[in-house]
Amino acid sequence: EAGVAQSPRYKIIEKRQSVAFWCNPISGHATLYWYQQILGQGPKLLIQFQNNGVVDDSQLPKDRFSAERLKGVDSTLKIQPAKLEDSAVYLCASSLGSGQGAHGYTFGSGTRLTVV
Amino acid sequence: TQLLEQSPQFLSIQEGENLTVYCNSSSVFSSLQWYRQEPGEGPVLLVTVVTGGEVKKLKRLTFQFGDARKDSSLHITAAQPGDTGLYLCAGYGSSNTGKLIFGQGTTLQVKP
Repeated sequence: EAGVAQSPRYKIIEKRQSVAFWCNPISGHATLYWYQQILGQGPKLLIQFQNNGVVDDSQLPKDRFSAERLKGVDSTLKIQPAKLEDSAVYLCASSLGSGQGAHGYTFGSGTRLTVV
Repeated sequence: TQLLEQSPQFLSIQEGENLTVYCNSSSVFSSLQWYRQEPGEGPVLLVTVVTGGEVKKLKRLTFQFGDARKDSSLHITAAQPGDTGLYLCAGYGSSNTGKLIFGQGTTLQVKP
């Protein structure tokens, strides 16, 4: 079974520029998550999709971050404009279902973003 | 707000030593999960504990869920350099949406 694919693996941009990340979840996984992981910290949920609908985006900085999952499969996360504090690893994960105790997540390898 | 606190944050030990990592919360969780993350990779699920007092073993790793389901521990026996990585505990939020809340992680370095 193919894993969660993410691209690019690395990205360096200047502050105030825009950047986009792409994620392709495991086939058949209805739930997709974007997490932000700052160096030395645990991942923090940015947004959760169930199929192509948003379930939770309470911690997404909506003035600069946006995400979509138009056909309920692939997803993109965009930052515009980027700030220095956005430097982090952006992890995409998918799971078969949702709800407590349902299934563990499968994570992609992440995109390491450096804003200079 | 549900929080998970891990301790210690950093651990550097010699090969062959034993260690325990703790994950604590003031909130009750229906289940807790442990993940291991290597540099440049995403976290990988090690185990899920569901029942209070439950103990699960994965080779040299022993996971325990507290009786009150507010805490968990990970014990590694005879650590090896291959155990080096970031260990994360995670629990599902109370909203029942499948949102996982992560602790801040414990970075383990096992020196040969």
